Amino acid sequence: DAGVIQSPRHEVTEMGQEVTLRCKPISGHDYLFWYRQTMMRGLELLIYFNNNVPIDDSGMPEDRFSAKMPNASFSTLKIQPSEPRDSAVYFCASSQFGPAGPQHFGDGTRLSIL
Amino acid sequence: AQKITQTQPGMFVQEKEAVTLDCTYDTSDQSYGLFWYKQPSSGEMIFLIYQGSYDEQNATEGRYSLNFQKARKSANLVISASQLGDSAMYFCAMPAFNMDTGRRALTFGSGTRLQVQP
Repeated sequence: DAGVIQSPRHEVTEMGQEVTLRCKPISGHDYLFWYRQTMMRGLELLIYFNNNVPIDDSGMPEDRFSAKMPNASFSTLKIQPSEPRDSAVYFCASSQFGPAGPQHFGDGTRLSIL
Repeated sequence: AQKITQTQPGMFVQEKEAVTLDCTYDTSDQSYGLFWYKQPSSGEMIFLIYQGSYDEQNATEGRYSLNFQKARKSANLVISASQLGDSAMYFCAMPAFNMDTGRRALTFGSGTRLQVQP
């Protein structure tokens, strides 16, 4: 079975540009999570969805970040405008069991904002 | 508030030997779960093993096992017969309750970098 699929794997762009990260969860998983990983702060939950509905977006750092899940097989995390401090690895994860259960992660997107 | 602590920033182990990675936690929940993830240098996060607080037996998955001591609030990961491919960061995690949102989310420890030496 295919795991969580994220694209792109790497993204390098200049500050001020719009960045869109994409995620396809595991089929049948009703929960989708977006995380950010940095050396300073470790792994942080940004937002999660249940049945395509955003449930907790308290981790989204500011209004420049937005996430959508238009259907059960696709989600995007958008940063507009991007800033150098947004440079990090962004992970998408999905789960059958909710935020308290095991989550399966994608390979991550390594984002560098110049 | 829940908290996960991994006190070993780095560990070395000889190939074929066993190694224990420490994880302690703090929670007031009666029922909870603990997870371990592996992050190799390639960057992906791989789910390894899960322990429920009411599970009577320690969880095992192949060469991975959890040394779960509820009274001490520890859930150490034991890797037996280490292999070179086990070299990676290892994260302990548990659901934490966010007082502001009233919701739970997986909270990760700071990780332990394991290096397996030939």
